[in-house]
Amino acid sequence: EVQLLESGGGLVQPGGSLRLSCAASGFTFSSYAMSWVRQAPGKGLEWVSAISGSGGSTYYADSVKGRFTISRDNSKNTLYLQMNSLRAEDTAVYYCAKDWEYCSGGSCGDYFDYWGQGTLVTVSS
Amino acid sequence: VIWMTQSPSLLSASTGDRVTISCRMSQGISSYLAWYQQKPGKAPELLIYAASTLQSGVPSRFSGSGSGTDFTLTISCLQSEDFATYYCQQYYSFPWTFGQGTKVEIK
Repeated sequence: EVQLLESGGGLVQPGGSLRLSCAASGFTFSSYAMSWVRQAPGKGLEWVSAISGSGGSTYYADSVKGRFTISRDNSKNTLYLQMNSLRAEDTAVYYCAKDWEYCSGGSCGDYFDYWGQGTLVTVSS
Repeated sequence: VIWMTQSPSLLSASTGDRVTISCRMSQGISSYLAWYQQKPGKAPELLIYAASTLQSGVPSRFSGSGSGTDFTLTISCLQSEDFATYYCQQYYSFPWTFGQGTKVEIK
């Protein structure tokens, strides 16, 4: 059974930092890309960042580029999101998600077949 | 960036109804579209991928159709457990983007 368990959320002041973790089990972690997706209170879903299975490729939404860093430790089956220079608009539940790569006609993209339960990050003074 | 317009934002329906949710893209995405269901306080769950392929374990009353720019999620006979918010997601190009969501509520 696939399980994704996020941790590390909490209250942080504007300009502060936080590191989220996502412990994965039930699948071969290093074989799959992983993503972070967030949801501000009462709002929709926003993809934040993705990382390839090896960790060699990373991708970011413009809203977090230069402030957030995604990484993974395949020996620990753990995904991370280092969040710096946090802003009030970063307040959200952060979900880690397992990517599933879909390819057709030579082109590929990822949807999310499993999600963690989420961890709340609140940026406020 | 591929922009997505999901409609309606709110849908009032009764158990047993057939409901349809639309997702329109700002540019063609072939069949690189997924649908998710989210219940209050819970993580989203994958329903459909590749526009029309049902994820394992998802009831057959859910179906998806479309290609290019226009997509539809249909629930053929609404059940009590289907009252939730539904999101479409394109994975044709980065950044992956989601529709604004459709809340299906009890009429």
